Amino acid sequence: QVTLRESGPALVKPTQTLTLTCTFSGFSLSTSGMCVSWIRQPPGKALEWLALIDWDDDKYYSTSLKTRLTISKDTSKNQVVLTMTNMDPVDTATYYCARVPSMVQGGIWFDPWGQGTLVTVSS
Amino acid sequence: DIVMTQSPDSLAVSLGERATINCKSSQSVLYSSNNKNYLAWYQQKPGQPPKLLIYWASTRESGVPDRFSGSGSGTDFTLTISSLQAEDVAVYYCQQYYSTLPCTFGPGTKVDIK
Repeated sequence: QVTLRESGPALVKPTQTLTLTCTFSGFSLSTSGMCVSWIRQPPGKALEWLALIDWDDDKYYSTSLKTRLTISKDTSKNQVVLTMTNMDPVDTATYYCARVPSMVQGGIWFDPWGQGTLVTVSS
Repeated sequence: DIVMTQSPDSLAVSLGERATINCKSSQSVLYSSNNKNYLAWYQQKPGQPPKLLIYWASTRESGVPDRFSGSGSGTDFTLTISSLQAEDVAVYYCQQYYSTLPCTFGPGTKVDIK
């Protein structure tokens, strides 16, 4: 059974750096084609893709947020970490991590997702 | 980035009736070399994370009821729920992955019971 769980602070102050950890089980990020991604959802709003890391340690970022994001993995711990710098109240959202089952032929869909973690940015 | 739009924003359908959700991309997501449409659909129930329903525009994920179907090609796609059940009340999102990354989601369509 594949599971993912997000962890990190529930509250951060403006200008601070957010660090989120995705801990997963049921698959290995060293398997060819496997990826883990971060997606966020402001309250009552739509989904926004943030970043992805693949089995080969290639990293991809949202066009609008790439200067603020860093994604990394620790394969031995089955963890993926996302950092976002210079947090602002507009970054208040539920942050999800999700698996990309196989990037074969460029197929990038997300399944399954973690339950998400709500991050509020406020002073 | 490819922009995704959905229509309607919301709809209310009677139990057992058909629900149709439309998704449009700002450019074609059909890859000519493999004739695949790089589009997925998700269902998000209140308080839950999204759940994958369909990928490659029309391939149903394992375990998804067959009342859910995806169709379309190029820039215009449809998610159809053939006979709406109470448990189908949710927001539905389309997502393109043609550009590999960044992928983009539609704004969502809320489905309720009439």
